[in-house]
Amino acid sequence: DAEITQSPRHKITETGRQVTLACHQTWNHNNMFWYRQDLGHGLRLIHYSYGVQDTNKGEVSDGYSVSRSNTEDLPLTLESAASSQTSVYFCASSDSGASGTYEQYFGPGTRLTVT
Amino acid sequence: GQNIDQPTEMTATEGAIVQINCTYQTSGFNGLFWYQQHAGEAPTFLSYNVLDGLEEKGRFSSFLSRSKGYSYLLLKELQMKDSASYLCAVRGPSGGYQKVTFGTGTKLQVIP
Repeated sequence: DAEITQSPRHKITETGRQVTLACHQTWNHNNMFWYRQDLGHGLRLIHYSYGVQDTNKGEVSDGYSVSRSNTEDLPLTLESAASSQTSVYFCASSDSGASGTYEQYFGPGTRLTVT
Repeated sequence: GQNIDQPTEMTATEGAIVQINCTYQTSGFNGLFWYQQHAGEAPTFLSYNVLDGLEEKGRFSSFLSRSKGYSYLLLKELQMKDSASYLCAVRGPSGGYQKVTFGTGTKLQVIP
């Protein structure tokens, strides 16, 4: 069955370190998204991609970067981790509506703590 | 930009009906989603409305009025497992047709 996975599921890191969160989907979806979820803010979009070599900034992109070298993967990098980036991170993917649905499929999430 | 409002918390009784409202103000509109999210888990898709009216899926129904910028999710025959957060989300076109903006969610507690 197709799925979307994230790794690691839990990560503790120190302020100033570079951290990369992995996201891998086997749906063959063109669209991939990274969100962070914090109490009181809901899901906020960090970066998104509509296909290979395409990346776009979301509403809270400062301090984060992504790259899309293939259809399956969209890794999220925190260049220099800050305590304000402690959060739960969700990756999601969707197709382009050819099947009539635009729903996003979410990965299980990565809980990141920056100390 | 997009502004989405929904109540923070609601409580309802097992077996009852509950309606969760969502109002939105957007610079463009291409559909509205409802997602369910249990504590500690990922959001899962419930419904998608792009035209005005009611969409029914078993115990769950979703309504949309584009002219009023209003939607609701109706849950019937509530079960304890329906205790979760319910997220309203609006799709593009601001930022592209696939981009979705989420509300902060409504935490529903179902009590016996």
